[in-house]
Amino acid sequence: DTGVSQDPRHKITKRGQNVTFRCDPISEHNRLYWYRQTLGQGPEFLTYFQNEAQLEKSRLLSDRFSAERPKGSFSTLEIQRTEQGDSAMYLCASSAFGNQPQHFGDGTRLSIL
Amino acid sequence: RKEVEQDPGPFNVPEGATVAFNCTYSNSASQSFFWYRQDCRKEPKLLMSVYSSGNEDGRFTAQLNRASQYISLLIRDSKLSDSATYLCVVRGLGGNTPLVFGKGTRLSVIA
Repeated sequence: DTGVSQDPRHKITKRGQNVTFRCDPISEHNRLYWYRQTLGQGPEFLTYFQNEAQLEKSRLLSDRFSAERPKGSFSTLEIQRTEQGDSAMYLCASSAFGNQPQHFGDGTRLSIL
Repeated sequence: RKEVEQDPGPFNVPEGATVAFNCTYSNSASQSFFWYRQDCRKEPKLLMSVYSSGNEDGRFTAQLNRASQYISLLIRDSKLSDSATYLCVVRGLGGNTPLVFGKGTRLSVIA
């Protein structure tokens, strides 16, 4: 399967803990996006990379959130000092150049106890 | 006002019915338009891009009206497997801009 891969699929943790998610995009895609989706809502943009450069960050991305894509391939999203409101599905998407559509991974579902 | 607005539904229709979803967007600079399909607890999957001239893919027809900032999706001869949430999606100028999603419209096709 050469689609977008995310790990883990599910994460349950206590409030205040740190969590890290990984995304492996489609190999020839140089653009990588992180979104967050809560129940009953569409996905909301968090941040975007072109190769290893983080080019845009949403206001939703508080200072507890950090994302990296060190070698322009896989990306990680870390949430520090998790809060109840961080419970959501975290989706990663990738796309090739230009206006090509974005393809999503299965997502990581985060539950904060 | 939300950037992308959709009727959340649910739309409950019998098999074989024709159903139409509408969507409006507020940013007149939006350049690309898509319909994504999302099954329960799964990731969104691209259903089709939407072009100014309108486009069709099998039982699915998408229309765009830039003047009214309105997008539609028509599904003919509904199948049970069409049951899902349909997300209206727009993107601004340039290939780098993120997607802006509507909340989605839930469709249930009933036998």
